[in-house]
Amino acid sequence: DGGITQSPKYLFRKEGQNVTLSCEQNLNHDAMYWYRQDPGQGLRLIYYSQIVNDFQKGDIAEGYSVSREKKESFPLTVTSAQKNPTAFYLCASSIRGASGHSYEQYFGPGTRLTVT
Amino acid sequence: AQSVTQLGSHVSVSEGALVLLRCNYSSSVPPYLFWYVQYPNQGLQLLLKYTTGATLVKGINGFEAEFKKSETSFHLTKPSAHMSDAAEYFCAALLPSGTYKYIFGTGTRLKVLA
Repeated sequence: DGGITQSPKYLFRKEGQNVTLSCEQNLNHDAMYWYRQDPGQGLRLIYYSQIVNDFQKGDIAEGYSVSREKKESFPLTVTSAQKNPTAFYLCASSIRGASGHSYEQYFGPGTRLTVT
Repeated sequence: AQSVTQLGSHVSVSEGALVLLRCNYSSSVPPYLFWYVQYPNQGLQLLLKYTTGATLVKGINGFEAEFKKSETSFHLTKPSAHMSDAAEYFCAALLPSGTYKYIFGTGTRLKVLA
């Protein structure tokens, strides 16, 4: 079955450590995204990538980094510079239609990161 | 600036009652619109979408939504609530201009009372 996988489901880290969240998709989608979700705040865009070897900052990119070396993979690193890293992180992907427009996003199951 | 507003962060309905979750958008150009559902500790699942064509769109699990350009709205409805509908619902918009940035509302948590 095609889909998006995120691992691990739960992640615990000590403050000051960098941590990398995995996101893999086998949907052959061009675009991939990382969102952060906090209670009552909806989804906030961290980074997105339209094609391999290219990515753009979203609304809350500070303290995060990404890479897009392969079409199917878009890992997110939460660095020690991120002041409040504890959150639920969601990865998504979307396909570019024939017109060049994007349509719906497909989401992974999420990773809950807790930093103490 | 483009924005999506969901009225009511929490909505409670009785089982069997009508579900109405409100979504209004703000943009100079009618966007593509989406409703997603999220169950606890899970990702988002697409319920339905409006891109072009028929303004009344039907989705999964008996949900539907109507795009009303004059009201800049895309409210989600279901005639009869089921206990399994209890979840958080997100409205999202995407400008049809080739952008890849989706704008999400802050979500509405639906509670279904027995």
